[in-house]
Amino acid sequence: GAVVSQHPSWVICKSGTSVKIECRSLDFQATTMFWYRQFPKQSLMLMATSNEGSKATYEQGVEKDKFLINHASLTLSTLTVTSAHPEDSSFYICSARDVGTGEADTQYFGPGTRLTVL
Amino acid sequence: GQNIDQPTEMTATEGAIVQINCTYQTSGFNGLFWYQQHAGEAPTFLSYNVLDGLEEKGRFSSFLSRSKGYSYLLLKELQMKDSASYLCAVMDSNYQLIWGAGTKLIIKP
Repeated sequence: GAVVSQHPSWVICKSGTSVKIECRSLDFQATTMFWYRQFPKQSLMLMATSNEGSKATYEQGVEKDKFLINHASLTLSTLTVTSAHPEDSSFYICSARDVGTGEADTQYFGPGTRLTVL
Repeated sequence: GQNIDQPTEMTATEGAIVQINCTYQTSGFNGLFWYQQHAGEAPTFLSYNVLDGLEEKGRFSSFLSRSKGYSYLLLKELQMKDSASYLCAVMDSNYQLIWGAGTKLIIKP
């Protein structure tokens, strides 16, 4: 149980284009999903917390107009990187909180999306 | 401020035992998590501790002392596939996860 999928696994795009990444909880409902970014050999950096049916909460320094988050259902959250630039190239990972398990508030991670902007 | 400390890198021998320590200072405490992350992959959940003591799951065990702000992850009978980064994370009073930088574990034959 507690499986989270992400699509696509990797994407290469030209500078200036927009990229949408999907995060799905496959076997549980997630009222809260999280979006992280991880640069090589660095720790996870939380970008935003996505709550179903409401606006996402962005961490300091993360541009909400550049990283659009939509959490339209209990099993799907999307991150759109708008007008991507080479500095946005990174490993984007989503996680979903399964409040139904005995291990309260455990976050389960999707496999990640590697974005390369040329 | 909130802080999670764990060693940057550790080396151990296949078949041996290794202990990865984590100390934390956070605003509130709602549990401590350990995750394993192989290079180029997303983290996978290993353990969760919210009460003091030792939690055992097969070859992996995790210990917590809330009064000392301390946890460790114990890996027994090390296998080459255990080579990975191990991330310690604490859930604070706002139910936000505060992440350590991770400990890179290198297993040698």
